[in-house]
Amino acid sequence: EIVMTQSPVTLSVSPGERVNLSCRASQSIRNHLAWYQQKPGQAPSLLIEAASTRAAGVPARFSGSGSGTEFTLTISSLLSEDFAVYYCQHYNNWPYSFGQGTRLEIK
Amino acid sequence: QVQLAQSGAEVKKPGSSVKVSCVLSGGTFDNHAIYWVRQAPGQGLDWMGALVPIFGLSNYAQNFRGRLLITTDESSLTAYMDLTGLTSDDTAIYFCARGLRVGGGIDVWGQGTTVTVSS
Repeated sequence: EIVMTQSPVTLSVSPGERVNLSCRASQSIRNHLAWYQQKPGQAPSLLIEAASTRAAGVPARFSGSGSGTEFTLTISSLLSEDFAVYYCQHYNNWPYSFGQGTRLEIK
Repeated sequence: QVQLAQSGAEVKKPGSSVKVSCVLSGGTFDNHAIYWVRQAPGQGLDWMGALVPIFGLSNYAQNFRGRLLITTDESSLTAYMDLTGLTSDDTAIYFCARGLRVGGGIDVWGQGTTVTVSS
């Protein structure tokens, strides 16, 4: 079973800042990685799949990079609506485990 | 617009079972995987299992094997999650979801069903 590890657990940032969220896989998952955003009381929402492909309707300030075991989600300039929890998930082989999440907080 | 609508909240006794349903509208199960993901209070997302209806393939996370069953009824476009042997640790929000394809990210999520296990 592949273990996904995200860092940091919590990140305090100001609107307008650029942030990089990290996700590491315990073994190579090629580019079989998705990123999700979850706001309180809501289901997760797909942001990125195939490590770097934005899902339909996702703003261009969100970008993904990486392959193998190291991945990054970048938000180029934070808006107030971006303060949420972000999860990575691999889909290389079953089970498709999630990372533990990174919470973005307003500084 | 493709949507998944889940059944309502449940309160169960320890040792009992729960069956949550999820109705798909605006799309089909063809060429997609169906997933169940749960989230305990204040915790992260926990992948429970998957079913690919077109191939009849399923897989369950290790800690659910033997007590989780995921099924679909394609005539009614309904997916089901049946979890037995409930304990207080199973108190969570349960989400059904549909993948972009067989494999790939999850682009459609249900609204979640709260299951509370309490004596």
